[in-house]
Amino acid sequence: AQSVTQLGSHVSVSEGALVLLRCNYSSSVPPYLFWYVQYPNQGLQLLLKYTSAATLVKGINGFEAEFKKSETSFHLTKPSAHMSDAAEYFCAVRGSFGNEKLTFGTGTRLTIIP
Amino acid sequence: DAGVTQSPTHLIKTRGQHVTLRCSPISGHKSVSWYQQVLGQGPQFIFQYYEKEERGRGNFPDRFSARQFPNYSSELNVNALLLGDSALYLCASSLGWQGATWEQYFGPGTRLTVT
Repeated sequence: AQSVTQLGSHVSVSEGALVLLRCNYSSSVPPYLFWYVQYPNQGLQLLLKYTSAATLVKGINGFEAEFKKSETSFHLTKPSAHMSDAAEYFCAVRGSFGNEKLTFGTGTRLTIIP
Repeated sequence: DAGVTQSPTHLIKTRGQHVTLRCSPISGHKSVSWYQQVLGQGPQFIFQYYEKEERGRGNFPDRFSARQFPNYSSELNVNALLLGDSALYLCASSLGWQGATWEQYFGPGTRLTVT
């Protein structure tokens, strides 16, 4: 079975500072990993995905994540936070081909301090 | 192009009632998945349908059922509603087995409140 753990339910950073949201995964098979963002009263938007190609994945809105097998991590980063980045962020893992079930973490609420 | 659409946007039901939620996938997508998101938590997988067949089921009671129609739209049905069924219900569509994009696109959700 696959699972993800998001460390820190709330993260606050100043505008212009580095954003780091942590995600660790557990999977018995090579994982496919995703980061989604959810704005208030909206659905989920895909930020980026890891599907066993490059370990450094670039996504939308300046976000990127690095897959580290040795640390079973897939942390999300952005060099400079913007006010519009304030939202809930979810890490998710999917099993091998043929199973579309996404298992989500509990989420991290990102607050940007002006 | 239109994204995933869901209806209704909001719904208020009483305990014991039945509810039907609807989802239309992105044009060309043949796979639809349903998720339940309780306030303050991550989404939980309920069902996946591909080409009108159930391909996955999460850990939900039999009160939850779904189906997919020939046009690939989908319905989620919940019987004998409980207060704990209050949540945001999300639908996601993907190309499924047609392509290996691994991306699921989510709709805006239906907010269900059970009183």
